[in-house]
Amino acid sequence: GNSVTQMEGPVTLSEEAFLTINCTYTATGYPSLFWYVQYPGEGLQLLLKATKADDKGSNKGFEATYRKETTSFHLEKGSVQVSDSAVYFCALNLGTYKYIFGTGTRLKVLA
Amino acid sequence: EPEVTQTPSHQVTQMGQEVILRCVPISNHLYFYWYRQILGQKVEFLVSFYNNEISEKSEIFDDQFSVERPDGSNFTLKIRSTKLEDSAMYFCASSNTGQVTNEQFFGPGTRLTVL
Repeated sequence: GNSVTQMEGPVTLSEEAFLTINCTYTATGYPSLFWYVQYPGEGLQLLLKATKADDKGSNKGFEATYRKETTSFHLEKGSVQVSDSAVYFCALNLGTYKYIFGTGTRLKVLA
Repeated sequence: EPEVTQTPSHQVTQMGQEVILRCVPISNHLYFYWYRQILGQKVEFLVSFYNNEISEKSEIFDDQFSVERPDGSNFTLKIRSTKLEDSAMYFCASSNTGQVTNEQFFGPGTRLTVL
């Protein structure tokens, strides 16, 4: 079936460290891929997206590249800040109304 | 900035009781959704709703669940007879189109605890 697998959290980093959160997917077709972020007490917010292979989504210093050959969409940021502490969700959509999400990865950035 | 709101933030109920979770989507949005996340598990799609009817639902969304847009602003999820395994965080979302690449805007969630 269709699914998303994210790395287990929590991920704890020092400020200005490099971040990678791994995401791989299984899909029967050609999905669109998304990263959502949830800050404490808030809803999930779209962080970035990519709709076809080799597309790179980027926002707020975060990037992710749609890799069809490795079925991956890893999230990266060159220098994290304390304000990036949140839960990050990878998701796919296969042309229906529903998103298929991963479990979420909690990121904690220490000053 | 417009946002999706949900009430209550936390609901505790006894097994077998009915619960109604409430959501106010963004005012000009036409598509509405419910998702849930059992602790430690994935966020799972439950149902989508457009033009006063269900447009898609998952296998989780059985006869115990129903959705309604009772007026121009609220969107509700009802669970008729709650089970222990219904304990989860329930997220409401809305979007202004049904295009798959269009962003769904999520509320902060309602944590449902069934005792």
